[in-house]
Amino acid sequence: KQEVTQIPAALSVPEGENLVLNCSFTDSAIYNLQWFRQDPGKGLTSLLLIQSSQREQTSGRLNASLDKSSGRSTLYIAASQPGDSATYLCAVYNQGGKLIFGQGTELSVKP
Amino acid sequence: GAVVSQHPSRVICKSGTSVKIECRSLDFQATTMFWYRQFPKQSLMLMATSNEGSKATYEQGVEKDKFLINHASLTLSTLTVTSAHPEDSSFYICSARSDRGAYEQYFGPGTRLTVT
Repeated sequence: KQEVTQIPAALSVPEGENLVLNCSFTDSAIYNLQWFRQDPGKGLTSLLLIQSSQREQTSGRLNASLDKSSGRSTLYIAASQPGDSATYLCAVYNQGGKLIFGQGTELSVKP
Repeated sequence: GAVVSQHPSRVICKSGTSVKIECRSLDFQATTMFWYRQFPKQSLMLMATSNEGSKATYEQGVEKDKFLINHASLTLSTLTVTSAHPEDSSFYICSARSDRGAYEQYFGPGTRLTVT
């Protein structure tokens, strides 16, 4: 059974810092991995989707990497801003096409 | 592109009544739609998968007679919470996937259900 773990559960940083969020999964037989952002009381915003054959994806200040063999992904946020404060969710698509979510990392960026 | 809407965004109902939540894909045809539930400070839990024109597949532990799912067209799926109880209060989120692309799911904005 696929399990997705995110570390840390919560993170507080001062504005301007670069930071890394971690995601690990137990079954390397995945189709894709996706990072989402969720603001309180809101739905999910897709940030980056990495195909299983890819190693990384970049969008603006965000960079996500994928190491399928070790079951790990990282989301790197450069020059963090208060507007980046949100919960970040990692999810993997398993062979059945279902998304399995991690518990999320709650990020707070202090001005 | 790839916009998914949900209606209503918030609903309050009395215990014992039923409430229907709609999920629509606005600019693409969704062969598959998913319904998730999220409790405060917790992650999303998949409730069921629905394919257009066929019965939904429910995850283990989800009561199919309580959470009725209908995927009547390629752009609309509905979730009906029957005989709602306070413990059904939660945030319900749907997603939609087309039969093209990289298996990506597009998420709706969610519906906050409060049962009093």
